[in-house]
Amino acid sequence: QLQLQESGPGLVKPSETLSLTCTVSGGSISSSSYYWGWIRQPPGKGLEWIGSIYYSGSTYYNPSLKSRVTISVDTSKNQFSLKLSSVTAADTAVYYCATMTTVIAFDYWGQGTLVTVSS
Amino acid sequence: QSALTQPASVSGSPGQSITISCTGTSSDVGSYNLVSWYQQHPGKAPKLMIYEGSKRPSGVSNRFSGSKSGNTASLTISGLQAEDEADYYCCSYAGSSTVWVFGGGTKLTVL
Repeated sequence: QLQLQESGPGLVKPSETLSLTCTVSGGSISSSSYYWGWIRQPPGKGLEWIGSIYYSGSTYYNPSLKSRVTISVDTSKNQFSLKLSSVTAADTAVYYCATMTTVIAFDYWGQGTLVTVSS
Repeated sequence: QSALTQPASVSGSPGQSITISCTGTSSDVGSYNLVSWYQQHPGKAPKLMIYEGSKRPSGVSNRFSGSKSGNTASLTISGLQAEDEADYYCCSYAGSSTVWVFGGGTKLTVL
């Protein structure tokens, strides 16, 4: 059973870079055809897809965040990461990592981690 | 403003059926059979309930079903149960530039 776990600072200052890591267990991050992604949810609001990375290394980003987002994979640690630069209070949200494995939908999710942007 | 439009809330009594709509455009819902639905209980991660429009993952009750007509996808829950009370989100593939878009979510209340 695939399991995902987000980790990273819970508090980030405005204008700085938010960095989160998703550790994958129960499977290999290099698995052919798997698609790894980040999704966020501001408090009391809906879900927003941030971006994804394919097993081949190809990346795809939400056009509204593209200039500030970088997603990468570390196969040696079985992890993938999110970096979001120049954050503001509007980036305060619960950040989820998720994956598409055998279906074209996010079928496995991490528990989520709250990141607050505040000085 | 979300890319896909869902009603803010729906409600039903135990045993009844309800339908949640998800309206997009010809660039997303209308062009691809790749709508998924997620259930989210308070403080929990979303859970996949329907994928590729109408398919159910293993372990999801057959009380949940999905369909699509034109630019609108729908999630129907039959035989409502108290544990179905949650927020529901639709998601659609929207092409290689936009990729994935979510709806604003619908709060289901079981009366």
